[in-house]
Amino acid sequence: RKEVEQDPGPFNVPEGATVAFNCTYSNSASQSFFWYRQDCRKEPKLLMSVYSSGNEDGRFTAQLNRASQYISLLIRDSKLSDSATYLCVASNTGNQFYFGTGTSLTVIP
Amino acid sequence: NAGVTQTPKFQVLKTGQSMTLQCAQDMNHEYMSWYRQDPGMGLRLIHYSVGAGITDQGEVPNGYNVSRSTTEDFPLRLLSAAPSQTSVYFCASNPSASGSYTQYFGPGTRLTVL
Repeated sequence: RKEVEQDPGPFNVPEGATVAFNCTYSNSASQSFFWYRQDCRKEPKLLMSVYSSGNEDGRFTAQLNRASQYISLLIRDSKLSDSATYLCVASNTGNQFYFGTGTSLTVIP
Repeated sequence: NAGVTQTPKFQVLKTGQSMTLQCAQDMNHEYMSWYRQDPGMGLRLIHYSVGAGITDQGEVPNGYNVSRSTTEDFPLRLLSAAPSQTSVYFCASNPSASGSYTQYFGPGTRLTVL
């Protein structure tokens, strides 16, 4: 079983829509969680860290549910520039980061 | 700061050849790591280092060697290239070995093994 699992999509949504991605992790000892964004043929870049209390950055909201071992990302008012692959990441205490396979998002005009 | 740099950007090898992928960072980060990214598999950790002189294996270490003689450099060596090693390779660095900080990625090396 993979450490981190994501629905690969693709998600095709119109501009202005709200879209949500979920991700589950298998290791209950995972300590830190992140969402990364990856544009086609580019390196991943941090979108936001995920805190236990949930956190928001503009149109993006991340949530963590430790009891159910899942992480979510909500994007409101989608823009064309949000089209990318979104990677869920969990980190354990052993200095290892585990990436999901990514969820592909295309925002349509 | 240049951040994390990787060379080469593209490489084609024949089966059995060896080569070294270079990675350097100028942010004085303790933690550095190598990943490979394959379609449908996501990024998988090959090797990582929590400081100069210290390396450890990740999820898919077979066929690769690393060393960390300085804080700045973390080269990845392919000992005898195989077609299964065709992939995109990313190097990343992190300010701390704790795993709680974001990682900064290099631009990647696209490797094809024929």
